[in-house]
Amino acid sequence: DAKTTQPTSMDCAEGRAANLPCNHSTISGNEYVYWYRQIHSQGPQYIIHGLKNNETNEMASLIITEDRKSSTLILPHATLRDTAVYYCIVRRGFGNEKLTFGTGTRLTIIP
Amino acid sequence: EAGVTQFPSHSVIEKGQTVTLRCDPISGHDNLYWYRRVMGKEIKFLLHFVKESKQDESGMPNNRFLAERTGGTYSTLKVQPAELEDSGVYFCASSQEPSLYEFFGPGTRLTVL
Repeated sequence: DAKTTQPTSMDCAEGRAANLPCNHSTISGNEYVYWYRQIHSQGPQYIIHGLKNNETNEMASLIITEDRKSSTLILPHATLRDTAVYYCIVRRGFGNEKLTFGTGTRLTIIP
Repeated sequence: EAGVTQFPSHSVIEKGQTVTLRCDPISGHDNLYWYRRVMGKEIKFLLHFVKESKQDESGMPNNRFLAERTGGTYSTLKVQPAELEDSGVYFCASSQEPSLYEFFGPGTRLTVL
């Protein structure tokens, strides 16, 4: 599995956009970028995924660089409930491949 | 629609005892996964079922762990005998076939004393 690198922690003011970076310089052509998060005492929650185009859903936006070596997860209007550990994971899509969790980024939303 | 459910939510046992964790996936999901996070470590994959068959059990730590999924519905993960280092949170996840992403359960917190 390709490795990802994320900052250990970040703070963001409530109501502002939270931008979480991820480096995945060894990503393969058939690997997708996935984002999950884990809110305290809950199971991981899927957020979004993409291959090379930018993606947006009701939770977040995913911006992938043209060379696919890095990406940014954007939470457009962060709320206190977005405080969680965010995991950037690369994996083959549609292959039921296991998820390889790293240490993630601990995002704290400040009131 | 009900999500992935796990039982019990917490379990406290003594070293050497046996514990069985249960996972009920979302109805119709053929893929079922077990993961765990032991104290201070990252979430790690344990195994993957497709229906009742073990697709990948490369993450199972040793033969004290036995996972079953009879009939391709719910799954159990038995730890026998439990050791102190088995303490942690055990997560179950499920997905459709073919899948885009998984839905995780709330986890079972296992404490071995």
